[in-house]
Amino acid sequence: AQKVTQAQTEISVVEKEDVTLDCVYETRDTTYYLFWYKQPPSGELVFLIRRNSFDEQNEISGRYSWNFQKSTSSFNFTITASQVVDSAVYFCALSESPHNNDMRFGAGTRLTVKP
Amino acid sequence: EADIYQTPRYLVIGTGKKITLECSQTMGHDKMYWYQQDPGMELHLIHYSYGVNSTEKGDLSSESTVSRIRTEHFPLTLESARPSHTSQYLCASSESGGDTGELFFGEGSRLTVL
Repeated sequence: AQKVTQAQTEISVVEKEDVTLDCVYETRDTTYYLFWYKQPPSGELVFLIRRNSFDEQNEISGRYSWNFQKSTSSFNFTITASQVVDSAVYFCALSESPHNNDMRFGAGTRLTVKP
Repeated sequence: EADIYQTPRYLVIGTGKKITLECSQTMGHDKMYWYQQDPGMELHLIHYSYGVNSTEKGDLSSESTVSRIRTEHFPLTLESARPSHTSQYLCASSESGGDTGELFFGEGSRLTVL
């Protein structure tokens, strides 16, 4: 069965520090999709990125970057030069089907960025 | 910005009351979902729908029920609320198609049952 583990429950950093949020997943499928979502205090989850299992290329979007390594079943998320507005709960998720009904979320990592 | 709305945002009710959490989306998405988010943050799928008149239970057993009479509307009902139902309920939608895509979430309905 698929599983997503976010071992870091809470992380606190000072503004401008870099921070990496870890995500380890388990799946028996060769085709799967990985996601990161951000949940700010307002409550709604906001989509950040999707990666499919055939694309191990790392991605950078502004201050955000993602490191996908199939060899270690990890999909880590790094925020460079963190800002107070980055404070939120971040979820990693895994889906094995094209229908989203099997999407499994990790327990989330609460990131606090202090000024 | 996602066009998916949930009401009420906060609800405090007594045990035994019937409640309905509303969820509406204006994106024309066929797929809609209800997630329950524990106080410890983890999300669990409790219901989903692939379209009008389609409803399925998710992997977390729930005493709630859902209906999908219109594409844009996916309400969740608890016939008799109990303190164990206290949680945050998140509604989401996604586009149809063979490629798994992002979920668009509402802001959630935080339910407290006394």
